[in-house]
Amino acid sequence: RKEVEQDPGPFNVPEGATVAFNCTYSNSASQSFFWYRQDCRKEPKLLMSVYSSGNEDGRFTAQLNRASQYISLLIRDSKLSDSATYLCVVLTTGKLIFGQGTTLQVKP
Amino acid sequence: DAGVIQSPRHEVTEMGQEVTLRCKPISGHNSLFWYRQTMMRGLELLIYFNNNVPIDDSGMPEDRFSAKMPNASFSTLKIQPSEPRDSAVCFCASSSRTGTLFFGEGSRLTVL
Repeated sequence: RKEVEQDPGPFNVPEGATVAFNCTYSNSASQSFFWYRQDCRKEPKLLMSVYSSGNEDGRFTAQLNRASQYISLLIRDSKLSDSATYLCVVLTTGKLIFGQGTTLQVKP
Repeated sequence: DAGVIQSPRHEVTEMGQEVTLRCKPISGHNSLFWYRQTMMRGLELLIYFNNNVPIDDSGMPEDRFSAKMPNASFSTLKIQPSEPRDSAVCFCASSSRTGTLFFGEGSRLTVL
């Protein structure tokens, strides 16, 4: 089983839609959680950290469920510019482990 | 502000040749990471350094791969001899104590 698992998608949604991605992790001792965004042929960039109580940044909401060992990312009112791959990242034993990413394609 | 700087951006070489990738982390960052990304395996951590010291190289695929960090502002990833299955995008990233990773633009390696 992979340490961090994501549905690769692609998720094809119309502009304005709400879309959610989930990610599961295998190590219950994992300490910190993040979502990174990667545009085509570019480097990954931090989108947001994920806090235990859940957190929101504009149209983006991240949540953590430690009991079930998953994190989620919700994007509201999706824009064309949201099209990218979203990488779930987990800090475990001092190492940042990346999921394979979920691809989002927002269409007009 | 300068981000993480990697070179070369693109490298095309023939099987058996030595490949050296270079990285300059963000000034003041004390951790440096080398990742490799392929379609099949996604982003894989190869090795990371804290304060120039290699901490975990368990992700280095085999003895053909080596990495060094002779000082706080420079690191290299070397593949010798290279093989076609080494073709990938190699990213260098650095972080400060806050833990946020900042990636370079990557070195796209093609081994023929």
